Amino acid sequence: NAGVTQTPKFQVLKTGQSMTLQCAQDMNHEYMSWYRQDPGMGLRLIHYSVGAGITDQGEVPNGYNVSRSTTEDFPLRLLSAAPSQTSVYFCASSRLRGQADQPQHFGDGTRLSIL
Amino acid sequence: RKEVEQDPGPFNVPEGATVAFNCTYSNSASQSFFWYRQDCRKEPKLLMSVYSSGNEDGRFTAQLNRASQYISLLIRDSKLSDSATYLCVVNRDFNKFYFGSGTKLNVKP
Repeated sequence: NAGVTQTPKFQVLKTGQSMTLQCAQDMNHEYMSWYRQDPGMGLRLIHYSVGAGITDQGEVPNGYNVSRSTTEDFPLRLLSAAPSQTSVYFCASSRLRGQADQPQHFGDGTRLSIL
Repeated sequence: RKEVEQDPGPFNVPEGATVAFNCTYSNSASQSFFWYRQDCRKEPKLLMSVYSSGNEDGRFTAQLNRASQYISLLIRDSKLSDSATYLCVVNRDFNKFYFGSGTKLNVKP
């Protein structure tokens, strides 16, 4: 019963490096999203997708790219890592039909440090 | 102004106590509402949805006041295992979820 799987769980990068955070779900959910969580703050939406081939920006999209080539996968790319991107990143998915009432299911999170 | 505002706490209560958390949201177009629970260094997990008529799940009761743009969560007979951070979540435009910064609850023996 995998649900939402995120990899890696921990990562340390140097400023300027790029990397991809992986997210996969096996629940056939149409909606997938990425959040970051910083101390003392709630989760903030980075990007989201309502289906394969469709992505859109959330509250804090700058410095991040996403793509959705399949229903299952929704990778998040950091183009040129900056210390301000040090955070815990969560991927989430949910059904889309009647989506207003559909809660999101979260992965375990990726703890990312940028030096 | 933040979309969702919560008292950060912490709320320190003895076992068996009743505790209430409040949350306000700024956009009247918000469509659906949830309470999530987050344990330290873990992912958020759905506690309950919040419906206009109010709803109850065991020891937990959620209320929504659309006129005042206010959501509440009441926990009765607190258990040690209820210690966590409680996140108020609002959905708007069907595709965007907005999270409060959370209210921390510590239940003491």
